[in-house]
Amino acid sequence: GQNIDQPTEMTATEGAIVQINCTYQTSGFNGLFWYQQHAGEAPTFLSYNVLDGLEEKGRFSSFLSRSKGYSYLLLKELQMKDSASYLCAGHNYGQNFVFGPGTRLSVLP
Amino acid sequence: EAGVTQSPTHLIKTRGQQATLRCSPISGHTSVYWYQQALGLGLQFLLWYDEGEERNRGNFPPRFSGRQFPNYSSELNVNALELEDSALYLCASSTGTGGTEAFFGQGTRLTVV
Repeated sequence: GQNIDQPTEMTATEGAIVQINCTYQTSGFNGLFWYQQHAGEAPTFLSYNVLDGLEEKGRFSSFLSRSKGYSYLLLKELQMKDSASYLCAGHNYGQNFVFGPGTRLSVLP
Repeated sequence: EAGVTQSPTHLIKTRGQQATLRCSPISGHTSVYWYQQALGLGLQFLLWYDEGEERNRGNFPPRFSGRQFPNYSSELNVNALELEDSALYLCASSTGTGGTEAFFGQGTRLTVV
């Protein structure tokens, strides 16, 4: 089975950098995904890590350490529109995607 | 290319009735996942279908069921509706081979009164 944990809420200031952590316990691990979900909308895919290290995509980066069961999503140059929930999800071979509880990020002016 | 489509967008039912929700995956995707998201809460896994077969099921009662058709579209049925079934029901699709992201539809907002 899988168990995924992330902080419930975070607050940051416009223009700043924020790191959202995710820890997981799982077997047959096949990748760690990050999604963004604005209130009332569907989640949208942000990033995917299957190997250790950092994946960078513009203002967003995601890091994975498989030995530690740990990932983080790094958001740079925060904008007001980045206020949303950020969902960490694990995927096992032959299994479904399992989502963490989500971290609600509030970006303040 | 069309994304994942869900219908209806909104559905209002009374307690005890049945609800049917539909999902069409992205062309070429064989896996369909169903999730329930109650207001302010996280995504709870319901069902996973791949190649027409149910591959995995979340911790929900048997009155939540579904199927996947030969064209890979899927249907979620909820029988004997209860007030707490009110939620956003999200469908996602992927290639099913693992290691690829799932894409979500816009969801069906089910309200049970």
